Amino acid sequence: AQTVTQSQPEMSVQEAETVTLSCTYDTSESDYYLFWYKQPPSRQMILVIRQEAYKQQNATENRFSVNFQKAAKSFSLKISDSQLGDAAMYFCAYRSYPRATGTASKLTFGTGTRLQVTL
Amino acid sequence: GAVVSQHPSRVICKSGTSVKIECRSLDFQATTMFWYRQFPKKSLMLMATSNEGSKATYEQGVEKDKFLINHASLTLSTLTVTSAHPEDSSFYICSARTGRPPYEQYFGPGTRLTVT
Repeated sequence: AQTVTQSQPEMSVQEAETVTLSCTYDTSESDYYLFWYKQPPSRQMILVIRQEAYKQQNATENRFSVNFQKAAKSFSLKISDSQLGDAAMYFCAYRSYPRATGTASKLTFGTGTRLQVTL
Repeated sequence: GAVVSQHPSRVICKSGTSVKIECRSLDFQATTMFWYRQFPKKSLMLMATSNEGSKATYEQGVEKDKFLINHASLTLSTLTVTSAHPEDSSFYICSARTGRPPYEQYFGPGTRLTVT
């Protein structure tokens, strides 16, 4: 079974600074997706960024980028120019995706990292 | 992005009664829907997966007779908590997944259930 580990229960960053959230995962599969979701105080889960395992290039979405190290099974999220609105719980998630069959499994979430943004 | 709605957003019910939570995908057809439970400051715990027109698949430890899931159409899934007890009080989140790659999964805003 796949597991996702987020070793940082809480992180803090000053506004306009950069912060990196860590995530490691364990899988024997070669085909999968990795995600970072944001859950603000409203508790609405929002997709921040997605990485397909077969793509070597790291995904980026505006101020959000990932460092995907497939061999090390590491998938960290970097938030640049942090804003007060970035304060939230961040969940790393894994989903296998066998491209040959086109089926998709369920998401496996990490335990989350609470990010505080200070002035 | 696509929108998933949940209704109600908050519900208070008395112990022993049943409560139904609706989950709708508003602008896409969801072949698969998921129901999660989230305890305070914890991660999402998958309760069950439902595919339109078939029986839901429950995760280990989740009572299927207590948490009834119906996925009657490609845009609607319901979770009914039967004979609710205070320990069922929690935050319930539904999620809907598209039927085509990359099988994007969208989340509803959640329902806060309080059983008194």
